[in-house]
Amino acid sequence: DSGVTQTPKHLITATGQRVTLRCSPRSGDLSVYWYQQSLDQGLQFLIQYYNGEERAKGNILERFSAQQFPDLHSELNLSSLELGDSALYFCASSVSAGKNTEAFFGQGTRLTVV
Amino acid sequence: AQTVTQSQPEMSVQEAETVTLSCTYDTSESDYYLFWYKQPPSRQMILVIRQEAYKQQNATENRFSVNFQKAAKSFSLKISDSQLGDAAMYFCAYRGPFYGGSQGNLIFGKGTKLSVKP
Repeated sequence: DSGVTQTPKHLITATGQRVTLRCSPRSGDLSVYWYQQSLDQGLQFLIQYYNGEERAKGNILERFSAQQFPDLHSELNLSSLELGDSALYFCASSVSAGKNTEAFFGQGTRLTVV
Repeated sequence: AQTVTQSQPEMSVQEAETVTLSCTYDTSESDYYLFWYKQPPSRQMILVIRQEAYKQQNATENRFSVNFQKAAKSFSLKISDSQLGDAAMYFCAYRGPFYGGSQGNLIFGKGTKLSVKP
């Protein structure tokens, strides 16, 4: 158990809908990263938050957004869902954004868009 | 942009034997980290081993070791005495320095699926 909790574990929804994925980082971790794992694109970095502020953006679509709350949990919002958004979404956390910090991954949320 | 390439989509090894998974990367940076992650069927991403670019000594964790060739930008993973529990997807990942647009996010290769035969 990495200490990073993601909910829900599985999510099935229809095209055009909006969903929210939740991540609770390890106790004390200030940095949260979101990754998408799909068959065609592999594992891709989406976005990072550090202590409530956005720090870096990767290949995140405009239909997707995220935020980190004062209690440090983070939510990834996916809207106007398309079939191609079906993927495994991972959250990872680390104690800081420093060089020698290890990122711990949650078990992921499997999103299926039908 | 940094890239990570794993040229072996699938590998197979006999139990108790040794297997080496390949990884190459491209970067213009001199200060970075490299990682191998294991993803079993449970989907959990598990850190296997990591290497700091400025350290010449190859990292070792029990049965897992790396061959880090900085000039060649090569970072292979050797698994000794393979066990059935080693069967999984293995991902090579790069993490760049903490400035500019990079804040510690990982760049992953496409992965190598390792099968272990009893």
